[in-house]
Amino acid sequence: NAGVMQNPRHLVRRRGQEARLRCSPMKGHSHVYWYRQLPEEGLKFMVYLQKENIIDESGMPKERFSAEFPKEGPSILRIQQVVRGDSAAYFCASSPPITELNTEAFFGQGTRLTVV
Amino acid sequence: AQTVTQSQPEMSVQEAETVTLSCTYDTSENNYYLFWYKQPPSRQMILVIRQEAYKQQNATENRFSVNFQKAAKSFSLKISDSQLGDTAMYFCAFMKHLRGKLIFGQGTTLQVKP
Repeated sequence: NAGVMQNPRHLVRRRGQEARLRCSPMKGHSHVYWYRQLPEEGLKFMVYLQKENIIDESGMPKERFSAEFPKEGPSILRIQQVVRGDSAAYFCASSPPITELNTEAFFGQGTRLTVV
Repeated sequence: AQTVTQSQPEMSVQEAETVTLSCTYDTSENNYYLFWYKQPPSRQMILVIRQEAYKQQNATENRFSVNFQKAAKSFSLKISDSQLGDTAMYFCAFMKHLRGKLIFGQGTTLQVKP
């Protein structure tokens, strides 16, 4: 059973370009979370998605950022018109529905975005 | 809003010794979960240990154990018999009951010295 797969591992974009980060959850997982980690900081929650639904987007910047988790295919985090401040590691995690006995989310290895 | 604070940016310990990492949190919730995650240089986030707030007994996983003080909102991680492979950044995290979203502390970089 493959783990959470994120690609690309490294992404370089020029200011003003678009960045698309992909996340394939573990098999059987219907919930996906995106987090951002700035250098020397902890992970900050961005968005929580279920298949075809956004459950919680309280951590998403109001502009330029969007996320989706379609019925088929990976979850996509999209950043339009990137700026230097978007440079960070972006982590995806997946889980089955959270229950009393099952609270663990499994993380991918992250995508490091560098904006030049 | 919930917050998680790790007041030790860096710590070091000699191999085979014991080290304790501190974490405090703030919440008005009564039912929640607390976690410690390890992030080695590979950047992979690995779950170390989990504690349910409704359980009084402190969680243990082999060399890792926690001291959970609910009234004080404190959740420290003790690593016994430290190994070189324990060198990593450690994050304390909070999750509201059945909500999925994790709130992380700033992290503590642990260096295990031979």
